[in-house]
Amino acid sequence: GENVEQHPSTLSVQEGDSAVIKCTYSDSASNYFPWYKQELGKGPQLIIDIRSNVGEKKDQRIAVTLNKTAKHFSLHITETQPEDSAVYFCAPYRAGYSSASKIIFGSGTRLSIRP
Amino acid sequence: DSGVTQTPKHLITATGQRVTLRCSPRSGDLSVYWYQQSLDQGLQFLIQYYNGEERAKGNILERFSAQQFPDLHSELNLSSLELGDSALYFCASSVVENSNYGYTFGSGTRLTVV
Repeated sequence: GENVEQHPSTLSVQEGDSAVIKCTYSDSASNYFPWYKQELGKGPQLIIDIRSNVGEKKDQRIAVTLNKTAKHFSLHITETQPEDSAVYFCAPYRAGYSSASKIIFGSGTRLSIRP
Repeated sequence: DSGVTQTPKHLITATGQRVTLRCSPRSGDLSVYWYQQSLDQGLQFLIQYYNGEERAKGNILERFSAQQFPDLHSELNLSSLELGDSALYFCASSVVENSNYGYTFGSGTRLTVV
């Protein structure tokens, strides 16, 4: 939560290549690290998440890695396909406690897959 | 279908008018969040409700207000509309606030102010 930065803002990769998007956060209490995918004309959809007791999680062609010490986590997409073209958002926060918090989304990364 | 229902999908209205956007959260979800997304912009947090109670506010304008009803659906009211209010408005829901299972978003309401 708090300050969240996402890089790059745009990314164009050749179909079949890999893409990596990085999210940096400032709140050291953050313990839940999700990535959302927003396709054109649709709402964001949760595609993968990781909790702070895990360093890496993989689901088929997508993976998320976490570096809590450096306060950043990354989305990795391998063997990219045209349907991966979308805007990706990160939204780290402190999960599992009752106080309200303003969950802040990163500014988004527009990923384009070139045929 | 994500389970979060937003109506209407599209809305065109004139400056100075007032509109109401409606959101029905996914079954079982108690927390509702509203976000504004302007053209090619990110998701700006507006307001959050949990079980009928306002829990957090973002940079929500005074002309905007919201509430969550006993049946857990939520409404976002936008008044004295300006051209700059044209945007996509998303509602999201989660089982509890600060859920470690993320949010479920609706498909949004596209508001055009002319």
